[in-house]
Amino acid sequence: EVYLVESGGGLVQPGGSLRLSCAASGFTFRREWMSWVRQAPGRGLEWVADIEDNGRQKYYVDSVKGRFTISRDNAKNSLFLQMNSLRAEDTAVYYCARDSHYDRTGKGYYFDFGGQGTVVTVSS
Amino acid sequence: DIQMTQSPSSLSASVGDRVTITCRASQSIRSYLNWYQQKPGRAPKVLIYGASNLLGGVPSRFSGSGYGTDFTFTISSLQTEDFATYFCQQSYIGPPTFGRGTKLEI
Repeated sequence: EVYLVESGGGLVQPGGSLRLSCAASGFTFRREWMSWVRQAPGRGLEWVADIEDNGRQKYYVDSVKGRFTISRDNAKNSLFLQMNSLRAEDTAVYYCARDSHYDRTGKGYYFDFGGQGTVVTVSS
Repeated sequence: DIQMTQSPSSLSASVGDRVTITCRASQSIRSYLNWYQQKPGRAPKVLIYGASNLLGGVPSRFSGSGYGTDFTFTISSLQTEDFATYFCQQSYIGPPTFGRGTKLEI
């Protein structure tokens, strides 16, 4: 079973920074693509970023490009999200998730959310 | 980016009812469509992947179908524990995108 424990959220002023962490267990972390997905209050889900198993390829939603950086430490089974220049619209619960691939095309995957998320509030 | 239009946004039903939620993609996503259940204060949980494949351990009253742009998610006989919010999500092209959700209420 996938266990993911997110941490690092909090209250930050607009323009500030936060670094989110995700501790993974229950699966072979170094072999899996990982993502961050967020959910604004009372809103739907938005994929934020993902990272290849070896950390080389990284992709971002347009709204965070240039501000957020995803990274990982496979030796410590950990995923990170460095968030800079935060805006009010970044306020959300942030979840880390495993990209669970079910076919070989690279297109067939779903998100395994194993944790409770961490709350980020951007407000003055 | 592919837009996912989910309907209805909310639905009132009773235990034992059959309910259907639809999800329409702005362009073909073949069968790369997943369905999630989310309860208040909890992370989403995948129920169906690849449009129609039930994840192991998920009750058989849940089912999904569709291909291309139009998909349906059905609960054949609602149970108390099924009252939650349901989301569709495509993984075929570009950034993965979600529908806005359907809140299933008693």
